[in-house]
Amino acid sequence: GQQLNQSPQSMFIQEGEDVSMNCTSSSIFNTWLWYKQEPGEGPVLLIALYKAGELTSNGRLTAQFGITRKDSFLNISASIPSDVGIYFCAGRTGTASKLTFGTGTRLQVTL
Amino acid sequence: DVKVTQSSRYLVKRTGEKVFLECVQDMDHENMFWYRQDPGLGLRLIYFSYDVKMKEKGDIPEGYSVSREKKERFSLILESASTNQTSMYLCASSPRARGVGEQYFGPGTRLTVT
Repeated sequence: GQQLNQSPQSMFIQEGEDVSMNCTSSSIFNTWLWYKQEPGEGPVLLIALYKAGELTSNGRLTAQFGITRKDSFLNISASIPSDVGIYFCAGRTGTASKLTFGTGTRLQVTL
Repeated sequence: DVKVTQSSRYLVKRTGEKVFLECVQDMDHENMFWYRQDPGLGLRLIYFSYDVKMKEKGDIPEGYSVSREKKERFSLILESASTNQTSMYLCASSPRARGVGEQYFGPGTRLTVT
């Protein structure tokens, strides 16, 4: 199945720094989702987006649905050690009956 | 609070064994999904179900079957386990009102087939 291109693949940042990651597709999406997965656990839904241009926050996390509908962005402000994990984007095209997942961005936070 | 549970966190089975992975959700969701997750390959959809007794093949259904006799429970069956089915298996559910978006995942079952 199709996969979304997610970048960067990995990030090593210092505590307190802001983080930006994005997800791009060759297809138009009508739903974008962002998940976080910690080692040995299932992905946890962070933010869901349903409209082009939509900007939604969840605490220190902010995600945007790109106006072209082919991309989405996730920002984390003032990172802390518990932000460590893999962040996945996922999207749905048209009336598709399933989600397409990104390849993940692995985030490491150093003190 | 949203809750998806999976019967086992870790499972070790022998080649040729029949394996049952159980998933239960308590959110009254219509849609349920089974994925496997492998390094470098991401999440791949095995099967999904949008109603009791209904099932649809995902991207990699070969070697697997599913059962949904009750709304809250979705089972994944490996008819004859093989070593290439060693993987992390993730169950998810979503409400019909959100299509297949907003999927909520269980903690996963790490299956090793020896």
